[in-house]
Amino acid sequence: DAGVIQSPRHEVTEMGQEVTLRCKPISGHNSLFWYRQTMMRGLELLIYFNNNVPIDDSGMPEDRFSAKMPNASFSTLKIQPSEPRDSAVYFCASSRDPSGTQYFGPGTRLLVL
Amino acid sequence: DQQVKQNSPSLSVQEGRISILNCDYTNSMFDYFLWYKKYPAEGPTFLISISSIKDKNEDGRFTVFLNKSAKHLSLHIVPSQPGDSAVYFCAARGFNNDMRFGAGTRLTVKP
Repeated sequence: DAGVIQSPRHEVTEMGQEVTLRCKPISGHNSLFWYRQTMMRGLELLIYFNNNVPIDDSGMPEDRFSAKMPNASFSTLKIQPSEPRDSAVYFCASSRDPSGTQYFGPGTRLLVL
Repeated sequence: DQQVKQNSPSLSVQEGRISILNCDYTNSMFDYFLWYKKYPAEGPTFLISISSIKDKNEDGRFTVFLNKSAKHLSLHIVPSQPGDSAVYFCAARGFNNDMRFGAGTRLTVKP
């Protein structure tokens, strides 16, 4: 199994630009999670989906952030417009069900200038 | 609102000795606790977990202890090996399945 796949691995953009992060979960996993890692706050859960439906988006920082899961094998996290404080590593994780062990992707390192 | 705290950002131990990583939480509704290990440029990987109905879980060199009254858990690694050098995240799962992570502790095991 290829594991959780994230793209791009690195993204450098300018303030105000739209950023789209992509994730392909492990086949057969029904739950997908988006996390953000910063030095100050560690790993924060942004949103998670179960069977493609958003279950808990209370961690999404503000309206500039949105996430979709159009099908079981693909999810996106979009930031529009991006700001320098959004610079972080964004991880996607998947699990068989919401309470199962989560398997993380390699992350996308985002730098907003 | 940091519900899971790892107060030591780093820890350095000698190879062969015991490593003890600590974690405190504030929410008594957490029912499941996990430790993840992270190498540079990789995502966290699951290491070991413990249910709130237990106070100890052991897997090879790794043991997790849970003290519910103190809202404290710890990860013991013995003997420590240089390959254990990584960032360790403590995590706690709530009733709605959302996971809260600590800020991580960077462990360095010196040969």
